[in-house]
Amino acid sequence: GNSVTQMEGPVTLSEEAFLTINCTYTATGYPSLFWYVQYPGEGLQLLLKATKADDKGSNKGFEATYRKETTSFHLEKGSVQVSDSAVYFCALSGGTSYGKLTFGQGTILTVHP
Amino acid sequence: DTAVSQTPKYLVTQMGNDKSIKCEQNLGHDTMYWYKQDSKKFLKIMFSYNNKELIINETVPNRFSPKSPDKAHLNLHINSLELGDSAVYFCASRATSGGDTGELFFGEGSRLTVL
Repeated sequence: GNSVTQMEGPVTLSEEAFLTINCTYTATGYPSLFWYVQYPGEGLQLLLKATKADDKGSNKGFEATYRKETTSFHLEKGSVQVSDSAVYFCALSGGTSYGKLTFGQGTILTVHP
Repeated sequence: DTAVSQTPKYLVTQMGNDKSIKCEQNLGHDTMYWYKQDSKKFLKIMFSYNNKELIINETVPNRFSPKSPDKAHLNLHINSLELGDSAVYFCASRATSGGDTGELFFGEGSRLTVL
């Protein structure tokens, strides 16, 4: 079955530091890949996505590239802000169009001033 | 206008009680989901309905019973609550017809605490 593995957290960074959160996946076929973000006390919201190999998703300064050869979708940001403190989830969707979204275990990011 | 709304946001109850959480979406989506998030933030799918039909039913105790009166609503009823049911329950919706982007839209969550 499908599975998603994220780097373990929590991750603590100083403002303006570079961020990488690793994500690798196992899936049959050609899944779509997503990063969701959950700010404190809120639900999840889509941060970015990529639907085919070599696609790059980007939003709010975050980027991730769909790498089929390494089955990875690592999240990066060049300079984090305190407001980026949140839980980040990598996810994939594949199979039937009614299929579930399979999430990684989430990575808690805390950014200090 | 909230796209996916859940009620109640907070629920504190005693072991053995029965409780319900309601979800409504005004996005015109045809598929809705319930996810459970534990204290370590891990998200696990519980159920999914497409046009009022149950299509995903993960290994969930049968004390949990979803009901979808129409495609805009998906409710979750829990019987005989146990301590381990304490979690945040998220409702989500998705458009699987007419161009499925795969994106789920989430509600703000319902935090259930069982004492």
